[in-house]
Amino acid sequence: DADVTQTPRNRITKTGKRIMLECSQTKGHDRMYWYRQDPGLGLRLIYYSFDVKDINKGEISDGYSVSRQAQAKFSLSLESAIPNQTALYFCATRGDRYTEAFFGQGTRLTVV
Amino acid sequence: GQSLEQPSEVTAVEGAIVQINCTYQTSGFYGLSWYQQHDGGAPTFLSYNGLDGLEETGRFSSFLSRSDSYGYLLLQELQMKDSASYFCALGRTDKLIFGTGTRLQVFP
Repeated sequence: DADVTQTPRNRITKTGKRIMLECSQTKGHDRMYWYRQDPGLGLRLIYYSFDVKDINKGEISDGYSVSRQAQAKFSLSLESAIPNQTALYFCATRGDRYTEAFFGQGTRLTVV
Repeated sequence: GQSLEQPSEVTAVEGAIVQINCTYQTSGFYGLSWYQQHDGGAPTFLSYNGLDGLEETGRFSSFLSRSDSYGYLLLQELQMKDSASYFCALGRTDKLIFGTGTRLQVFP
């Protein structure tokens, strides 16, 4: 089993719908991150969390919200999806500020 | 704010050596990391520089110069499987900020 699991792997949704992307990890890490990847723009940070009581906005948080249900679970929600939120979304975890990040396999989201 | 710039694309032939540069603008960070991402896959960690200088891991080496706001990833003895995108990333407080990425194409 993967250390960082994202569900769903692919999703097509309509404009205006609410959608949740889920991430769970078995690494035992406190730090969890949501990134968005678009061609030519690299990975941009949406939200990050240090524990269930600590949620922080990243570079591009507008239009997104998150929930840290437990140390192992970090969900990303699009309250009202719009087409320019079509992208590849990655969840990642990290043990501390110096060590490597471990990524899930990504969720490809298409908003039509 | 912070930004990391990388060349968008680099090409090379098998067996060659290629250097991927990363220049950044930020006011303080813990270290510079490098990640590899194959098409359709997730980014995976390659190397980390917490201090200035060269770090070597097999065919890959990474370098950091804080005074020059510059780092690079050096790939030696290139193989076809090295064709991928490569990202530099700054660790700042508890955030990990990624560069724009460099697509490396290795030709036979």
